[in-house]
Amino acid sequence: GNSVTQMEGPVTLSEEAFLTINCTYTATGYPSLFWYVQYPGEGLQLLLKATKADDKGSNKGFEATYRKETTSFHLEKGSVQVSDSAVYFCALRGGATNKLIFGTGTLLAVQP
Amino acid sequence: DAGVIQSPRHEVTEMGQEVTLRCKPISGHDYLFWYRQTMMRGLELLIYFNNNVPIDDSGMPEDRFSAKMPNASFSTLKIQPSEPRDSAVYFCASSDEGGRTEAFFGQGTRLTVV
Repeated sequence: GNSVTQMEGPVTLSEEAFLTINCTYTATGYPSLFWYVQYPGEGLQLLLKATKADDKGSNKGFEATYRKETTSFHLEKGSVQVSDSAVYFCALRGGATNKLIFGTGTLLAVQP
Repeated sequence: DAGVIQSPRHEVTEMGQEVTLRCKPISGHDYLFWYRQTMMRGLELLIYFNNNVPIDDSGMPEDRFSAKMPNASFSTLKIQPSEPRDSAVYFCASSDEGGRTEAFFGQGTRLTVV
């Protein structure tokens, strides 16, 4: 069945550092891919999405490109801020199922 | 729209008691998901509905858990009897009719069973 694997955390960076959080997926068909962010004590918020191969989702300086050949959707940001500290979840939906399936989450801690 | 609304935000109950969590999805959304989040197991999909019909409940941990969606604007997740290992944050999410679209999450219910 469909599944998502993302890098384990925590990821600790200094402010203005470059961020990459890896995400790979297994799916039949052509799912949509998502990154969600969860701030402490809150629900998950959609950060960005891509619905087909080679699409690039972007929001708030974050980007991710839907790579079908490598089944990946890595999250990147050129210069992180302390306010980006949160847990980031990669997710997919579609293909053989309408379930919305999440990876395990990656905690990002940005230090001033 | 006010978004997905869950109640209560916090619930503390004694082991053996019945617990009911409530969710109001975004108006017009056709899909509703229930998730459980714990440190050990991460974010688990428990069950999801499409047009008020349960489609996949394979994530429901055991018979003590049940979920209903009597109409398009309301769903419940019930645990009877509750156990300390059920302590977690429970999230409800909804999405529109597209089977590949994003879901919108509520703020969650933090359940503590003592």
